[in-house]
Amino acid sequence: DSGVTQTPKHLITATGQRVTLRCSPRSGDLSVYWYQQSLDQGLQFLIHYYNGEERAKGNILERFSAQQFPDLHSELNLSSLELGDSALYFCASSAGTRDEQFFGPGTRLTVL
Amino acid sequence: AQKVTQAQTEISVVEKEDVTLDCVYETRDTTYYLFWYKQPPSGELVFLIRRNSFDEQNEISGRYSWNFQKSTSSFNFTITASQVVDSAVYFCALSEDQGYSTLTFGKGTMLLVSP
Repeated sequence: DSGVTQTPKHLITATGQRVTLRCSPRSGDLSVYWYQQSLDQGLQFLIHYYNGEERAKGNILERFSAQQFPDLHSELNLSSLELGDSALYFCASSAGTRDEQFFGPGTRLTVL
Repeated sequence: AQKVTQAQTEISVVEKEDVTLDCVYETRDTTYYLFWYKQPPSGELVFLIRRNSFDEQNEISGRYSWNFQKSTSSFNFTITASQVVDSAVYFCALSEDQGYSTLTFGKGTMLLVSP
């Protein structure tokens, strides 16, 4: 158990819908990262927050957004969902901005 | 741009065999970090090791060992006396020292260890 929690574990929704994925980092960690894992794209970095501020953006679509709250939990919002958004979404946390990242169990999103 | 290549898509071995997973990376930075993660069938990503670009000393941890060679841009991972529980997908990852450590992952190598 990495200490990073993600909810929900599974999510099934329809095209065009909007969903919110939630992540709680390990106690004391200030950084939260979001990654997407799909069969065709592999594991891709989406976005990084440090202590509430966005620090880096990767291959994140404009339909996706994220935020980190004062209690350091983070939410990833996915809107206007398409079939191709079906993937495993991981959250990771680290103490600072250069430390090893510990991953949550992931949220499996299925868009029908 | 940074890139990680894991040329081996899938490796099958019999228990107790040694197995080496290859990882080759590309980066323009002189300071960077290399990682290995394991993803067992249950799906979670488990951190195994982190090395920085200034530390080429090879490392052994139990049945695991890592061979970092800057001259060939490789960071290979060896499991000695493999066990069925080692069956998983193994990912090599690279992070450049840009003030934040976002990871660029390879495609992963699926290791199947049969009894």
